[in-house]
Amino acid sequence: NAGVTQTPKFQVLKTGQSMTLQCAQDMNHNSMYWYRQDPGMGLRLIYYSASEGTTDKGEVPNGYNVSRLNKREFSLRLESAAPSQTSVYFCATTTGAAQNTEAFFGQGTRLTVV
Amino acid sequence: AQRVTQPEKLLSVFKGAPVELKCNYSYSGSPELFWYVQYSRQRLQLLLRHISRESIKGFTADLNKGETSFHLKKPFAQEEDSAMYYCALRTYKYIFGTGTRLKVLA
Repeated sequence: NAGVTQTPKFQVLKTGQSMTLQCAQDMNHNSMYWYRQDPGMGLRLIYYSASEGTTDKGEVPNGYNVSRLNKREFSLRLESAAPSQTSVYFCATTTGAAQNTEAFFGQGTRLTVV
Repeated sequence: AQRVTQPEKLLSVFKGAPVELKCNYSYSGSPELFWYVQYSRQRLQLLLRHISRESIKGFTADLNKGETSFHLKKPFAQEEDSAMYYCALRTYKYIFGTGTRLKVLA
């Protein structure tokens, strides 16, 4: 039972390159989230998916796209990476509608754009 | 608008001193509030939730709807409490504050 798994753990990109961050969960959770963590900015929500087949923008969606491939997987794509997207990215999941549901996090992806 | 505010980026206290990490929220409905902790090189994990009204690792947090606050408290800080602490509000999505780094000095 791995919980929430993110790949890769580290990545260095050149400006303008594209890449996809993968997130997979084996917890049978409905809701999945992508956050970025920056010093002094905390965790900011990029996109979330309340259930399979739905996605919604969060606080900082510009420059990103997401795909909820199935219930288990939620990917984040950077089409043309910029230095401002250097950050640590976290995927998280929750059961969904249940009250006071806990969020479970992946171990993070540290992305550097040069 | 839904918002979580943690006014302190860094809080340094000596071992054995009391700790209070502040959290204020903005939400018109009935809030679900949480504290998460991130120890060095570990993933974020739940510390406590307001509905449970429990003490975890000596930490407690009380929801004050009048002041829209959910401050995290511990009477006697320990060095192993040094970590990043995030307050979170859940509505139809999860929103986190900017976090407070707690450093407990020997």
